[in-house]
Amino acid sequence: GENVEQHPSTLSVQEGDSAVIKCTYSDSASNYFPWYKQELGKRPQLIIDIRSNVGEKKDQRIAVTLNKTAKHFSLHITETQPEDSAVYFCAATANAGGTSYGKLTFGQGTILTVHP
Amino acid sequence: DGGITQSPKYLFRKEGQNVTLSCEQNLNHDAMYWYRQDPGQGLRLIYYSQIVNDFQKGDIAEGYSVSREKKESFPLTVTSAQKNPTAFYLCASSITGGPYEQYFGPGTRLTVT
Repeated sequence: GENVEQHPSTLSVQEGDSAVIKCTYSDSASNYFPWYKQELGKRPQLIIDIRSNVGEKKDQRIAVTLNKTAKHFSLHITETQPEDSAVYFCAATANAGGTSYGKLTFGQGTILTVHP
Repeated sequence: DGGITQSPKYLFRKEGQNVTLSCEQNLNHDAMYWYRQDPGQGLRLIYYSQIVNDFQKGDIAEGYSVSREKKESFPLTVTSAQKNPTAFYLCASSITGGPYEQYFGPGTRLTVT
């Protein structure tokens, strides 16, 4: 099955700096890669996603890049703010194109702390 | 926080007791999922259902059971056979035919002593 590795496990930055979180996946058939943000005690919420027919996607201060050949994808947050502090999870589909649509495998999470 | 709800928010049980966690959604989604979250391990899939009266085991189904009698509801039972039941449990739903975004409930924190 799919295996997703996420690094780093913790990331500390100063307000205004950029933050980058990286994930690798094992199943070359995966075609959907969402990123979720989870604030303390809250539910995970989708912040951006990318499909395998696209190499990069941006939404204001957030961007995701995908390298299908190397099987890795990254989350980039620019001009970080204290409210960006949270746990971020990457995910990938386990059986893209088969009978298991939506069966996501998650990375272990990155605790991002933005210091004012 | 409408759309998908879980109850209760906190649940305490004695070891050896079965306990059922509730998950309800009004998003008209066909697919529903249960995840377990432990510190440092991300979200792990317990069970998922793509349609009423059908469900499949996820990666860590041992010691858990589910039912899907209605589109809106996907309750999870944590049985006494689950060796380490204390965790944060998250329910999610999505439309099918994708993959598409999964919408999460607020979670239930289960403590078994």
